[in-house]
Amino acid sequence: QVTLRESGPALVKPTQTLTLTCTFSGFSLSTSGMSVSWIRQPPGKALEWLALIDWDDDRYYSSSLKTRLTLSTDISKNQVVLTMTNMDPVDTATYYCARIQGHYGPASYWGQGTLVTVSS
Amino acid sequence: QSVLTQPPSVSGAPGQRVTISCTGSSSNIGAGYDVHWYQQLPGTAPKLLIYGNSNRPSGVPDRFSGSKSGTSASLAITGLQAEDEADYYCQSYDSSLTGLWVFGGGTKLTVL
Repeated sequence: QVTLRESGPALVKPTQTLTLTCTFSGFSLSTSGMSVSWIRQPPGKALEWLALIDWDDDRYYSSSLKTRLTLSTDISKNQVVLTMTNMDPVDTATYYCARIQGHYGPASYWGQGTLVTVSS
Repeated sequence: QSVLTQPPSVSGAPGQRVTISCTGSSSNIGAGYDVHWYQQLPGTAPKLLIYGNSNRPSGVPDRFSGSKSGTSASLAITGLQAEDEADYYCQSYDSSLTGLWVFGGGTKLTVL
């Protein structure tokens, strides 16, 4: 059974760095074809793709946010960590992680999401 | 501004058929990349509804169907039910500098 769960702070201050952890089970990121993506959704707005890390440890970032995003993994703990620097109130959103098949495959499994509010 | 364009809203009465369009460009849908559709019920995470343009995951009713042609894709829902009221998003891969994945702006389906 595949599950994903996001964890991290619910509130961060402007200019701070956000660190979110995606803890997953039911698959291994070292298995060929497995990828994990981060996707966010501001309140009342559309989904926005942020980043993807694949089975070869290759990382891909949204071009509009790539200077602020970093992905890392802890394969032994089945975790993918997203770091976003210089947080701004417009970054207030629910952040989801999801399992992807390859790069082109759909997000078949999603975490429940974690709401991050950026406010002083 | 989303890379894939969807109508903000559609509506239909119970039992009717509705379609939701998703228009892209030559760097995503038109380049031959698959389109996937997600359903998001209020307050919940998105759920995969259609993958690979027209395939339904196990458990998704056959009232939902997808198609793709040229630079566009469509989601059709027949026999509308009250429980279908949700937001629907299309998603594809993009080979331009915008990034790997792109989403549509979402369509709110209202069952009248």
